Amino acid sequence: KQEVTQIPAALSVPEGENLVLNCSFTDSAIYNLQWFRQDPGKGLTSLLLIQSSQREQTSGRLNASLDKSSGRSTLYIAASQPGDSATYLCAGAAGNKLTFGGGTRVLVKP
Amino acid sequence: DAGVIQSPRHEVTEMGQEVTLRCKPISGHDYLFWYRQTMMRGLELLIYFNNNVPIDDSGMPEDRFSAKMPNASFSTLKIQPSEPRDSAVYFCASSFIVGGSNEQFFGPGTRLTVL
Repeated sequence: KQEVTQIPAALSVPEGENLVLNCSFTDSAIYNLQWFRQDPGKGLTSLLLIQSSQREQTSGRLNASLDKSSGRSTLYIAASQPGDSATYLCAGAAGNKLTFGGGTRVLVKP
Repeated sequence: DAGVIQSPRHEVTEMGQEVTLRCKPISGHDYLFWYRQTMMRGLELLIYFNNNVPIDDSGMPEDRFSAKMPNASFSTLKIQPSEPRDSAVYFCASSFIVGGSNEQFFGPGTRLTVL
């Protein structure tokens, strides 16, 4: 059974600093890995999806990497802004089913 | 496209009452997923459909929960009878497979409170 872990549970950084968010998973037979953002009281917004055959994906200031052999994915957010404050969740896909990590709550201080 | 639409956005009910949550997936998507989010257990998949057919309902917690998808543009999640421990945010998501990718898009959720 796939288990997904995100450490730390919360993170606070000053504006302008680069953010590094970690995600680890137990089953390397992962189909893809998806990163989401969730604002308080809101739904999930898909940020990036990395297929199992890929090593990384980039979108603007966001870059996500995937290392299946070590069971890890990392989301980098360059030059963080207060608007980046949110909870970030990763989810590993086995077939069509997503297993979510507990999320990392990020606060970017002006 | 308007994205995944869920209704109601908030529901407050009393224990024992029937609750029906509704979802309209993104047009053209052939997968639909129901999730539940709580502080204690995080996000959990309850059930998912492909082409309106339930594929995996192993996450449905009890027989009190049921889900249907009568057509490609509508799904319901029903709880009967509801209990206080069912209080959570329920999300619907939809997707379709393109280029080997099955990216899921989530609705805004329904916040359910059972008193």
